[in-house]
Amino acid sequence: AQSVAQPEDQVNVAEGNPLTVKCTYSVSGNPYLFWYVQYPNRGLQFLLKYITGDNLVKGSYGFEAEFNKSQTSFHLKKPSALVSDSALYFCAVRDRETNAGKSTFGDGTTLTVKP
Amino acid sequence: DGGITQSPKYLFRKEGQNVTLSCEQNLNHDAMYWYRQDPGQGLRLIYYSQIVNDFQKGDIAEGYSVSREKKESFPLTVTSAQKNPTAFYLCASSETSSSSYEQYFGPGTRLTVT
Repeated sequence: AQSVAQPEDQVNVAEGNPLTVKCTYSVSGNPYLFWYVQYPNRGLQFLLKYITGDNLVKGSYGFEAEFNKSQTSFHLKKPSALVSDSALYFCAVRDRETNAGKSTFGDGTTLTVKP
Repeated sequence: DGGITQSPKYLFRKEGQNVTLSCEQNLNHDAMYWYRQDPGQGLRLIYYSQIVNDFQKGDIAEGYSVSREKKESFPLTVTSAQKNPTAFYLCASSETSSSSYEQYFGPGTRLTVT
């Protein structure tokens, strides 16, 4: 079985400050990991993924995420937050070994960036 | 949302009626997915298909049905057996190679059943 936990329902940061949105995962094998962003009443947009290789992954809009196998985490980060980053963020995992053909999503974290 | 269309954006139905939600993609993706999104509950997988004429139940398939007769189309029918059908429904697609499993989502259909 595979699962994802996003321990914070809400993250608040001031514009210009660094932001972190946390994600931990559980898979029986090795993971593929993804971050998506959703703006109100819209579909999700892909931000970045970890497949293999470097543990630090860079994605769209200046976001990055660090894969930490020992802590089973894949936290999303950005050095300097923008008000326009305010949205709902989802972490997702897919088990590399079982190849069940599906990803499991976390419950989402609402990021609010205040001016 | 590019490449995947869902229609209509808003849909209203009376209780006891079946309703079909449309999902079309022009990304040439083999895999397609249907999710349900409720407030505070994230995305829950209803059905998915990795190839034409084949599909699998997800975590909450009861009360729903799908077909995959064409690569680009994956319609979802919400039947009268679905106890709480009011929700935001999202369709997605992806490639099936290991370097490209990220999903691309449509804009969603908000279904209200009264």
